[in-house]
Amino acid sequence: GAGVSQTPSNKVTEKGKYVELRCDPISGHTALYWYRQSLGQGPEFLIYFQGTGAADDSGLPNDRFFAVRPEGSVSTLKIQRTERGDSAVYLCASSLGGGSTLTQYFGPGTRLTVL
Amino acid sequence: EDQVTQSPEALRLQEGESSSLNCSYTVSGLRGLFWYRQDPGKGPEFLFTLYSAGEEKEKERLKATLTKKESFLHITAPKPEDSATYLCAVEGSGGGADGLTFGKGTHLIIQP
Repeated sequence: GAGVSQTPSNKVTEKGKYVELRCDPISGHTALYWYRQSLGQGPEFLIYFQGTGAADDSGLPNDRFFAVRPEGSVSTLKIQRTERGDSAVYLCASSLGGGSTLTQYFGPGTRLTVL
Repeated sequence: EDQVTQSPEALRLQEGESSSLNCSYTVSGLRGLFWYRQDPGKGPEFLFTLYSAGEEKEKERLKATLTKKESFLHITAPKPEDSATYLCAVEGSGGGADGLTFGKGTHLIIQP
């Protein structure tokens, strides 16, 4: 079956601009996670959705970052007033449920470059 | 705060030369320890989940083991296609973030 998909695969923007990154989880997966991976580092947790609600947003670095999942499926990560330090690969993962050790399956990521 | 440390950072082996990758962790209430493989430019690909000390899982040339403080990923007679970065992650129940805590990974190169 289809895996997690993310669009765009690459995004180049200028400092100060607004960007949106999209994630399409595996069909039927109720839990969705966003991570950020910098070069040479492991993924870093940002936010977790169970259904439509953000169950845990403790990893969001500041209030420029926001994510939504209005219908409990597709999610959008939104970054306002982008900074050069936001440059990274943004990964999305989904699992059958949340709050347990159910396996998270990752998408290919969106590489964000802020000039 | 959950922590994961992987060693070595990089490992170069000859084809057929077996070795082990280490993942040391500290976590409040281990729910699960995960191993992923990541190829350049791609997302992490799930390999194994281990839940309790003493557990072992195998898949082709890979075998993962777990103790109360660390996990090992043993690779037997590796092939060039096993070259990748191997990531270890933990999920704890100690009231911290609900996502996985990852190590920095081990970059494995298998030379023909």
